[in-house]
Amino acid sequence: GDSVTQMEGPVTLSEEAFLTINCTYTATGYPSLFWYVQYPGEGLQLLLKATKADDKGSNKGFEATYRKETTSFHLEKGSVQVSDSAVYFCALSDRQGAQKLVFGQGTRLTINP
Amino acid sequence: DVKVTQSSRYLVKRTGEKVFLECVQDMDHENMFWYRQDPGLGLRLIYFSYDVKMKEKGDIPEGYSVSREKKERFSLILESASTNQTSMYLCASSIGDRARGEQFFGPGTRLTVL
Repeated sequence: GDSVTQMEGPVTLSEEAFLTINCTYTATGYPSLFWYVQYPGEGLQLLLKATKADDKGSNKGFEATYRKETTSFHLEKGSVQVSDSAVYFCALSDRQGAQKLVFGQGTRLTINP
Repeated sequence: DVKVTQSSRYLVKRTGEKVFLECVQDMDHENMFWYRQDPGLGLRLIYFSYDVKMKEKGDIPEGYSVSREKKERFSLILESASTNQTSMYLCASSIGDRARGEQFFGPGTRLTVL
């Protein structure tokens, strides 16, 4: 079945560092791809998405590009802030029926001032 | 503003109790989902519903059931709670549009079974 593999965490960076969180997927169809973020004590929020190959999703300084040839959707940010500390989940939607989401295991990011 | 609410943020129950977790969305979404979140395992789908009174099993339905009598409300039921059901439970909803697919999540219920 479909699956998502994320970079192992936890990840700890200093403020203003460059961030990459790797995400690769396997899917039988042509999925939509998502990054969700979970701040401490809260539910998941959609961070960005891409629905077709070479699409770039972006939000709050974060970017990810849908790479069909490498089946990847890596999350990047040029200069992280303390407020970016959270758990990040990569996910795909199978576009079938109720469009179930398949999630990666999550990557905990901590940014130190 | 889109909103998914869950009946409790924290819940403590005893082994063998029947537990109800309620979820309500105000976005007129067709699809609703229940996940559990455990460290190192990400989110795993328990059940989902694509219409009123319709339900389908997700990846880990054992020990759970669901009810969807109204479009806006989706309930998760633990018939006889066990300690291995201690977890964070997240509800989500989505519009029935295959081109979009994003889900909107509630704040979660942290359930402890003693």
